[in-house]
Amino acid sequence: EAQLLESGGGLVQPGGSLRLSCAASGFSFSSFAMSWVRQAPGRGLEWVSSITGSGGGTYYADSVKGRFTISRDNPKNTLYLQMNSLGAEDTAVYYCAKEDDGYGGNVFDFWGQGILVAVSS
Amino acid sequence: DIQMTQSPSSLSASVGDRVTITCRASHNINSYLNWYQQKPGQAPKLLIYAASSLLSGVPSRFSGGGYGTDFTVTISSLQPEDFATYYCQQGHSTPLTFGGGTKVEIK
Repeated sequence: EAQLLESGGGLVQPGGSLRLSCAASGFSFSSFAMSWVRQAPGRGLEWVSSITGSGGGTYYADSVKGRFTISRDNPKNTLYLQMNSLGAEDTAVYYCAKEDDGYGGNVFDFWGQGILVAVSS
Repeated sequence: DIQMTQSPSSLSASVGDRVTITCRASHNINSYLNWYQQKPGQAPKLLIYAASSLLSGVPSRFSGGGYGTDFTVTISSLQPEDFATYYCQQGHSTPLTFGGGTKVEIK
């Protein structure tokens, strides 16, 4: 069974940086695109970024473009999100999600449990 | 960008009720529409993909429909475990976007 385990969250000051990690197991990691989706407290879901299985293609929401960088280490079965210039608007639970285009289009078929990032002074 | 609009934003219903949630896309997304269920403190879970296909293991009381810009998810007989927030998501093109969510509460 697929497992996704996020780590690296916590409290950071405005303007600071943080790197999230997502350790994957139970599936062929390099065969699937992966994404980060976030949810601000009491709010809905917001797609943040995606990366292709090979890592050759990356995509970002406008709200994070130029500040966040998604990457992956396929031999280590790990997904990353480097977050720079953090602001209060980035406070959210960040979910790592597996994509499967075998369902048709971009479908998040499995999610990690989420990790909280809080930006505050 | 494709905007996704869900309605209602919340509803109150009783066990056994039939419930329908609507999702409208701002552009034609063919059938690239997915539905997720999220319970408090938990990650979202995929229920329906490609507008009308149930993920394996999802109860048959859930059904999805629609094409193009207008979509629905229906719960034919609401069960206690169905009280949750439901989100639609377009998988047609980036930026991938979600509806605002529909919270299904107990009446």
